[in-house]
Amino acid sequence: NAGVTQTPKFQVLKTGQSMTLQCAQDMNHNSMYWYRQDPGMGLRLIYYSASEGTTDKGEVPNGYNVSRLNKREFSLRLESAAPSQTSVYFCASTDGGSYNSPLHFGNGTRLTVT
Amino acid sequence: DAKTTQPTSMDCAEGRAANLPCNHSTISGNEYVYWYRQIHSQGPQYIIHGLKNNETNEMASLIITEDRKSSTLILPHATLRDTAVYYCIVSARGANNLFFGTGTRLTVIP
Repeated sequence: NAGVTQTPKFQVLKTGQSMTLQCAQDMNHNSMYWYRQDPGMGLRLIYYSASEGTTDKGEVPNGYNVSRLNKREFSLRLESAAPSQTSVYFCASTDGGSYNSPLHFGNGTRLTVT
Repeated sequence: DAKTTQPTSMDCAEGRAANLPCNHSTISGNEYVYWYRQIHSQGPQYIIHGLKNNETNEMASLIITEDRKSSTLILPHATLRDTAVYYCIVSARGANNLFFGTGTRLTVIP
């Protein structure tokens, strides 16, 4: 049981390049999330998907797009990367919005934009 | 969601209990207290949550004061592997949009 799997683990982009961060979970969870974490700061929510077929903006959505491909997969796309998007990106999932549904996180994608 | 205040850092001797405080003086009646931790370079890990009663699981205990304005996470016998950043989060919306602040950096000392 792998839990939440993120690919790639590391990526270096040049300004203006695009890329997609992949996330998959094997726990049959309904809800999935993308966070970013900058040095010395807590996690900030970028986008989330409460259920298959729905997506909503979080605290810092600008510069990103998401796709909930199916129940298992939730991808994050940077159309034109900027140095301000250098960060560690975490994907998470939970089986719903109830109070007894803790978040399960992947181990992150470390992105550097030069 | 109510804001939380945690100490920036704490030390604890290996084998002793680690008591991590959290103030949430503006907590509402329907808001839960959640604790997560993040070990260096890994994704955050859920520890425990509660509403008003004290809670215990295999990882930790959560003590919430009667007025619910503060809580304490207790790791009963800290090990070196418990060195991490611990986040106290208060939310009424379950797992949707939990606000992770900067947490408490706990260092367990041999």
